[in-house]
Amino acid sequence: EVQLVQSGAEVKKPGESLKISCKVSGYRFATYWIGWVRQMPGKGLEWMGIIYPSDSDTRYSPSFQGQVTISADKSISTAYLQWISLKASDTAMYYCVRHEVFDYWGQGTLVTVSS
Amino acid sequence: QAVVTQEPSLTVSPGGTVTLTCASSTGAVTSGHHPYWFQQKPGQAPRTLIYDTNDKHSWTPARFSGSLLGGKAALTLSGAQPEDEAEFYCLLSYNGTRIFGGGTKLTVL
Repeated sequence: EVQLVQSGAEVKKPGESLKISCKVSGYRFATYWIGWVRQMPGKGLEWMGIIYPSDSDTRYSPSFQGQVTISADKSISTAYLQWISLKASDTAMYYCVRHEVFDYWGQGTLVTVSS
Repeated sequence: QAVVTQEPSLTVSPGGTVTLTCASSTGAVTSGHHPYWFQQKPGQAPRTLIYDTNDKHSWTPARFSGSLLGGKAALTLSGAQPEDEAEFYCLLSYNGTRIFGGGTKLTVL
């Protein structure tokens, strides 16, 4: 059974760093693109970027380039989304998804950034 | 960056038919945009209904279908059920990046 299990909710202060994860099971992790999607409170979906774990080829939306880092560790079948310095506007639900046909989604990780 | 536009809201009667559309600011939507359609209910992760214009997943109810219509991507719901009430999003591909539409709130009433 394919599963994407995301790390738990986070509460952070502005300026702090954060790395959330998406652990994959049930298929060969390295051979499917994994994507990240943001949903701010009460708003729509936003495509952030993708990574191909086999060679770490990464593509970003222009809106998110330089704001976040997407990475992956093949040895533990896990993809990551990372911030160096969080802002209040990063408060959102973040979803990972198996990207080619968007068939499997993680349950979402709620990130709250507040002073 | 392109802008993808959907109807903000639509209403359909139970058993009725409704078509949601997805337009691109760059011009006509084609199969090369690989249109996707997602359904999201409150408090849930999105669920993918349609990929590559008109392909369905095993869980996609037969009453949903995807197409290209008048230069837009389209999602048609034939025989609406109360449980179809949700937010629907389209996604288009642009040279390696992807852009979501703003979403359509579908009410079944």
